[in-house]
Amino acid sequence: EDQVTQSPEALRLQEGESSSLNCSYTVSGLRGLFWYRQDPGKGPEFLFTLYSAGEEKEKERLKATLTKKESFLHITAPKPEDSATYLCAVQPGGNLIFGKGTKLSVKP
Amino acid sequence: EPEVTQTPSHQVTQMGQEVILRCVPISNHLYFYWYRQILGQKVEFLVSFYNNEISEKSEIFDDQFSVERPDGSNFTLKIRSTKLEDSAMYFCASSPRGQTSYEQYFGPGTRLTVT
Repeated sequence: EDQVTQSPEALRLQEGESSSLNCSYTVSGLRGLFWYRQDPGKGPEFLFTLYSAGEEKEKERLKATLTKKESFLHITAPKPEDSATYLCAVQPGGNLIFGKGTKLSVKP
Repeated sequence: EPEVTQTPSHQVTQMGQEVILRCVPISNHLYFYWYRQILGQKVEFLVSFYNNEISEKSEIFDDQFSVERPDGSNFTLKIRSTKLEDSAMYFCASSPRGQTSYEQYFGPGTRLTVT
């Protein structure tokens, strides 16, 4: 069964304190791995797509990496506006299978 | 920047009533999706739609659900007889392509409350 597990469930950081979020997955055939940001009461906002092991992508303070079994979202020197739930999803076919997300809180 | 739009933002209905949720996907996208998120739970896939027909659906998408693209811009999800457990956020998404690794862009969602 295709599955996505994200850890930790919640993460509290001080502004400027770098950290990483983990997404581990088991999937029959991976077409792509996606990271989204979701603010309360809003739809998921696309951040990155990773297609193959070893691939990395960056956007401002965020960097996503991919191995054969997991992906990491590294947050460098976070700011309070980075507070959100970060969702990982895999695409074995056409649809996306999501993890439960990591709720990130960044305190000033 | 083009975006997916959804209406209404919040729908309250009584159990057993029919509801129609509306979406306008990004104009040059070809694949359309509905997902739902029950409060505090994962985002779950419901159905995908391409070339005016359903291409894939989940176990959640039973006979009470239907989708339609009534014109060149709208994409709708109909729930024929709502149940309490249908209360959730419903997200529409669109993608330029569906069977290869292309990202899906989500709308802001419709909060459905069934009383």
